[in-house]
Amino acid sequence: DTGVSQNPRHKITKRGQNVTFRCDPISEHNRLYWYRQTLGQGPEFLTYFQNEAQLEKSRLLSDRFSAERPKGSFSTLEIQRTEQGDSAMYLCASSPEGGAPNEKLFFGSGTQLSVL
Amino acid sequence: DAKTTQPNSMESNEEEPVHLPCNHSTISGTDYIHWYRQLPSQGPEYVIHGLTSNVNNRMASLAIAEDRKSSTLILHRATLRDAAVYYCILRGQGAQKLVFGQGTRLTINP
Repeated sequence: DTGVSQNPRHKITKRGQNVTFRCDPISEHNRLYWYRQTLGQGPEFLTYFQNEAQLEKSRLLSDRFSAERPKGSFSTLEIQRTEQGDSAMYLCASSPEGGAPNEKLFFGSGTQLSVL
Repeated sequence: DAKTTQPNSMESNEEEPVHLPCNHSTISGTDYIHWYRQLPSQGPEYVIHGLTSNVNNRMASLAIAEDRKSSTLILHRATLRDAAVYYCILRGQGAQKLVFGQGTRLTINP
């Protein structure tokens, strides 16, 4: 169990550029989540996948955001035309099964995005 | 998801017990009570969860009120490494995700 891995750890970009983050969940975990966290706030849910299917997207996920999980393994989160308001920590989490109420989530260390 | 209420911050001393409260007066019968914590510059990590009975694990204990409208996370002997934001979260049947509030920022004094 190597844990949830997120890359890069830090990303600095200029406003208007596109960025892509990668998340490698724990092997054989079926469910994968993306969250966003701004300073002083708790993580906010963005979207989740069950295997390769994206089953829910938050209203926070504007049309500039897209997430994929090809083949149900790693996932990518892309932000197009970044804005300063996109600056945040982007967290990925995975869990073994399908969202049972007693199931644990395992989080990565996040990607810190700074948009200049 | 049912809402939880936690103090914004708490402070304790190293090697003393810490009791972190959480109110969840609208909890439903099938909601599990989860606690996660987030160390500085890290993602949240699971601490403990329970349904009705008190729970113990190597990290902490969870005491659940008889009416389940409140719970307390107990760190038996705090260390400096326990300084973190602690989140109390309810998750019920059909809840597909964890919904985080603002949590309690715990400061441990040496």
